Amino acid sequence: QQQVKQSPQSLIVQKGGISIINCAYENTAFDYFPWYQQFPGKGPALLIAIRPDVSEKKEGRFTISFNKSAKQFSLHIMDSQPGDSATYFCAALYPGGTYKYIFGTGTRLKVLA
Amino acid sequence: NAGVTQTPKFRILKIGQSMTLQCTQDMNHNYMYWYRQDPGMGLKLIYYSVGAGITDKGEVPNGYNVSRSTTEDFPLRLELAAPSQTSVYFCASSPRTGPTEAFFGQGTRLTVV
Repeated sequence: QQQVKQSPQSLIVQKGGISIINCAYENTAFDYFPWYQQFPGKGPALLIAIRPDVSEKKEGRFTISFNKSAKQFSLHIMDSQPGDSATYFCAALYPGGTYKYIFGTGTRLKVLA
Repeated sequence: NAGVTQTPKFRILKIGQSMTLQCTQDMNHNYMYWYRQDPGMGLKLIYYSVGAGITDKGEVPNGYNVSRSTTEDFPLRLELAAPSQTSVYFCASSPRTGPTEAFFGQGTRLTVV
């Protein structure tokens, strides 16, 4: 019920291509879905986030698509750049006053120059 | 503004030793979290706190203890270290004002030999 399943585990994309990472959840109580980006040796940092009352959110080259009925959400990176090479985590926020973040297992993205 | 600061950055422990991972934040955030990150496993919640004097277990609390005597500090105590506790540990914090970004520290890489 509290799991967030993320795929793929790793992804290689050519420069200029589109990177797509998918996540699925079970608990319909989750009410906030952020994506975090992590570079080697650093802590995760918020990239973009969406609430379940919105089907899509775009910030620059990064877009979240959200399908509430399917309980799935995805991150699309347009015009992928070598600087986007990092590990990406989807997450879901468990409500009820505790604000616990449940994370997916991560996707290691490599963008080839 | 330092954000979330973790010390030490690296540590090697022998089996059975104890240590405290320090975490402090200067953003006056009520919510604080400890995660461990293992390859291919994502971030697992160890303990969290919704305010000074209040702590609760996360997904993987066994072998760890926490305290929260002030808003700023949230130390994680490892008693009787075991090889299974070899991991990268991240502390994070978030403000009380509803679902929002969690800010992460740089992490502590712990090896138990």
